[in-house]
Formats: sequence, structure tokens, C-alpha cells
Amino acid sequence: NAGVTQTPKFRILKIGQSMTLQCTQDMNHNYMYWYRQDPGMGLKLIYYSVGAGITDKGEVPNGYNVSRSTTEDFPLRLELAAPSQTSVYFCASSYEGAAGNTIYFGEGSWLTVV
Amino acid sequence: GENVEQHPSTLSVQEGDSAVIKCTYSDSASNYFPWYKQELGKRPQLIIDIRSNVGEKKDQRIAVTLNKTAKHFSLHITETQPEDSAVYFCAAHRPGTASKLTFGTGTRLQVTL
Repeated sequence: NAGVTQTPKFRILKIGQSMTLQCTQDMNHNYMYWYRQDPGMGLKLIYYSVGAGITDKGEVPNGYNVSRSTTEDFPLRLELAAPSQTSVYFCASSYEGAAGNTIYFGEGSWLTVV
Repeated sequence: GENVEQHPSTLSVQEGDSAVIKCTYSDSASNYFPWYKQELGKRPQLIIDIRSNVGEKKDQRIAVTLNKTAKHFSLHITETQPEDSAVYFCAAHRPGTASKLTFGTGTRLQVTL
């Protein structure tokens, strides 16, 4: 199993541009998440999904959108990129919710908005 | 909502010494507390976790303790080794929220020779 795979690993965006971070998992996990990690900070939940066709906002959803058309894929869309969105983005998945179920993270996507 | 505070933000220990990282949480309903290790430039990985019906859990050189009354939990690493150098995050989960893990801000542990 590849686990959680996210692309791209690095990206520089100009202010106002849009892009999609791709995420796929091959563990047949129901739950998928997008976190952002600012330098020296913890992980903040952007959006999550409990299954195909179901998404919900996390702590910091503004400026982002997600979709979950399949169990495997959970892309994160940034519309009108802003410098405040410069961060490391982690996609993650778990078999069920966070309570007692290991969350597996992807390798991260380093995004810089200039 | 839940708030998790983590201390210290940086910790330097000599190889072979013990390291302790402490977290406090605000929501008494939280019942699951994982710890993640993140090496430089890598993804966070679960190293140990504890549920609220348990006071202590050990896995080789790593242990976690939980004090529900005081709402704090701690990570203990004994006989530290250079490969323990990393950022450690605690987290808390409140039931009824499908995925809401609230993370602490992290502790950078440096194990020196």
C-alpha cells in the first residue's frame, strides 16, 4: 500500500491564483482530512470528510473548498490564493473517526504564495 | 471548543536522560489523547495514545500518563537517543465530533550527545 499520497510536494503561487492539492489513499479509509501547519505551530483542520459525497468544515475553512466524489480521493482547492495561505498542507485519512483510530498523514505539500 | 496547551516549546536533553512533555486540555469531555512525532521535513506519525479510562500506557521507552481530574497528560521518553530528536505534538479528541483532533503547538526535542 502506498498509504496517503498527495501532490504536488512543492508549489509557488502568485496572489490571486488558484490551484488544487491532490490527495488519494489506498487503505479504503472512510475518513479523510486536510490540515495546514504554519511554521512552529500545530496542525489546524481545514476540512474533513466521513465518506464519499460528505464533507464538512474544520477550524480554518475560509479560502478553501473540497470535494469527495470517491472513497480514495479528497482534493483541496485554493481559490484566490493569499499570502496567509502560505503553509504546509497535510492530507490524512483514518478508518473511522479520530477517536482511537490512527490518522495516517501524507508527506505534505509546501505551498508559498507570493 | 477544545483548547490544548503544550509545554515546553523546546527541550534539550543529553543522550540517555529522560524527557517529559506536558499538555493540558480544556474540555473535560475529551476522551482520547494521541501523541505524534514529526521529524524534520517529514509527516507526523502516531507514536502512542491513551484513552480516558486508562491512567498510564507504556511502549518500550515511551509512556503516556493521563490525569483526568487535572485535565493534563504527559509524554515520557526514557533513555533518550539522538533519533528521538523531532517535534512532538499532543492532541485531544472530544466525542461527538467525528474527526475533531485538537493539536498542541508542538515541542521540539533535541537530544545531544
